[in-house]
Amino acid sequence: DVKVTQSSRYLVKRTGEKVFLECVQDMDHENMFWYRQDPGLGLRLIYFSYDVKMKEKGDIPEGYSVSREKKERFSLILESASTNQTSMYLCASSSQFTISGNTIYFGEGSWLTVV
Amino acid sequence: KNEVEQSPQNLTAQEGEFITINCSYSVGISALHWLQQHPGGGIVSLFMLSSGKKKHGRLIATINIQEKHSSLHITASHPRDSAVYICAVENTGNQFYFGTGTSLTVIP
Repeated sequence: DVKVTQSSRYLVKRTGEKVFLECVQDMDHENMFWYRQDPGLGLRLIYFSYDVKMKEKGDIPEGYSVSREKKERFSLILESASTNQTSMYLCASSSQFTISGNTIYFGEGSWLTVV
Repeated sequence: KNEVEQSPQNLTAQEGEFITINCSYSVGISALHWLQQHPGGGIVSLFMLSSGKKKHGRLIATINIQEKHSSLHITASHPRDSAVYICAVENTGNQFYFGTGTSLTVIP
């Protein structure tokens, strides 16, 4: 069974803390994504990566950074957590070589509360 | 900018009813995806289609490329179908754009 695994399901962090969200996929996918999901706003792309050490900003990258040192692992970093970063964070992965479309696979999500 | 628009936002149905969720998009696509999200977060892919129609059990997805429109139908709805259904489009650069979702509640 294909898997995207997010390291933490629920986190509570203090304002100003550095937060790491880890994501691992076992499908040898080239593309990995970090999304944020808020009520009424849907899924918004924070960053994506199409290869090891490659990253591209999404729609809302401010306050976030990412790291992809290995193909299977994509980390989201909140350098200094703020209360407006309280949200659900979803990691996803997909292949990139099927021109008729690529199934996207999601992790279970990480609920982050910043107090 | 909203590349993907879904309707309705919320939908309540009686068990057994036929349900339709609509999706319109404004960008060129390589595929359209229907996703399901149950309470608790996890999102699973239901369909990926680039033309025509696909069927899986009681779920049917159709797409009209010329009109940039897709529908997800659920026949003989059941309470376990209660979830958020999300339409997403994938462009030729492997980027995904998501609708805001349709929250479906099926009442026994």
